[in-house]
Amino acid sequence: DVKVTQSSRYLVKRTGEKVFLECVQDMDHENMFWYRQDPGLGLRLIYFSYDVKMKEKGDIPEGYSVSREKKERFSLILESASTNQTSMYLCASSLTLRRVFFGSGTQLSVL
Amino acid sequence: GENVEQHPSTLSVQEGDSAVIKCTYSDSASNYFPWYKQELGKRPQLIIDIRSNVGEKKDQRIAVTLNKTAKHFSLHITETQPEDSAVYFCAAIWTGGGNKLTFGTGTQLKVEL
Repeated sequence: DVKVTQSSRYLVKRTGEKVFLECVQDMDHENMFWYRQDPGLGLRLIYFSYDVKMKEKGDIPEGYSVSREKKERFSLILESASTNQTSMYLCASSLTLRRVFFGSGTQLSVL
Repeated sequence: GENVEQHPSTLSVQEGDSAVIKCTYSDSASNYFPWYKQELGKRPQLIIDIRSNVGEKKDQRIAVTLNKTAKHFSLHITETQPEDSAVYFCAAIWTGGGNKLTFGTGTQLKVEL
């Protein structure tokens, strides 16, 4: 079974803090994604990466950056957290995009 | 880029009835259409998919249909059961080189006893 592991299930941060969300997959997948999930808005793509050190903006990249130094790890960075970034963040990975495996999510609250 | 619209946002059915969720997509190059199910508190998981060279695909009580001309695809669940209650997401992608997977906004399905 593919494992996509997100480092924290719940996270509480203060406005202005720098926040790192970590994601690790164990299946040697090229493609990795970060989505945020908000009620009524579905899964919105923040950033994705199709190879080590490669990154592409998704639909809502503003206020976020990413890092992929190793194939198995994809980090999402909030440079200066704001209250409107309070959300559920889902990491995902895929080999061919015909099946995407999601992590269990990180519920981030920015106070 | 691809835009995927999904309707309805909520759907309530009686146990045993059928449920239909509809999606439209904008990019005519899209050729792969998966559906994901997310149960409460869990991660989304792939339940069925369809490729553009197929009009319909079935897997037990679930089926997906695709109308390429109209750029519509739909999820059909027959004989609904309480365990079908979940959020369902459609998605569209062009597998010919794009790496971006765009999801619809989700449908909260509630199957009532």
